Amino acid sequence: AQTVTQSQPEMSVQEAETVTLSCTYDTSESNYYLFWYKQPPSRQMILVIRQEAYKQQNATENRFSVNFQKAAKSFSLKISDSQLGDTAMYFCAFMNLDGQFYFGTGTSLTVIP
Amino acid sequence: ETGVTQSPTHLIKTRGQQVTLRCSSQSGHNTVSWYQQALGQGPQFIFQYYREEENGRGNFPPRFSGLQFPNYSSELNVNALELDDSALYLCASSLAPIGGNEQFFGPGTRLTVL
Repeated sequence: AQTVTQSQPEMSVQEAETVTLSCTYDTSESNYYLFWYKQPPSRQMILVIRQEAYKQQNATENRFSVNFQKAAKSFSLKISDSQLGDTAMYFCAFMNLDGQFYFGTGTSLTVIP
Repeated sequence: ETGVTQSPTHLIKTRGQQVTLRCSSQSGHNTVSWYQQALGQGPQFIFQYYREEENGRGNFPPRFSGLQFPNYSSELNVNALELDDSALYLCASSLAPIGGNEQFFGPGTRLTVL
């Protein structure tokens, strides 16, 4: 079974600063996918960034980047130049090859003006 | 907006009743997954449907069942409701049940069981 752990229930960051959200996971599979999803107060989950486990290069999407350490089973999200609209719950998720997701418990991020 | 819709937005039921939640996937998406998100928790995988057949199930009892229809709509049915079934129920659609395919989430249905 896959488990995903987010050890930071809440975090805050000053606007324009950088913040890193942590995620670790446990799996016996060698091929899989990792995701970060954002859930704003309106509730609709939005994809932030995706990483294929077979790729060593860390994924980047504009201000969002990940630090993927496969051996350590770690997948952290870095948000640069934080904006007020980044305030949301952030979920780390593991996806197996059948397309089934396993989520962490989330990190509530608040961007302070 | 992800193009995935769910109805109703909110629902209140009493223990022992049955409930049906509905989801409309993005056009062309033949895979739908359902999740239960308890307050303060991450979504928990209930099951996935692909081309109208169940294609994987999480650790949920048989009183949680589903249907998927050819018109990209689907249902989650829960029988004999229990207080612990109170949660936000999310559906997510994708092109195929293949790892890596992005899942597009609906806004959810908030179910309260009294």
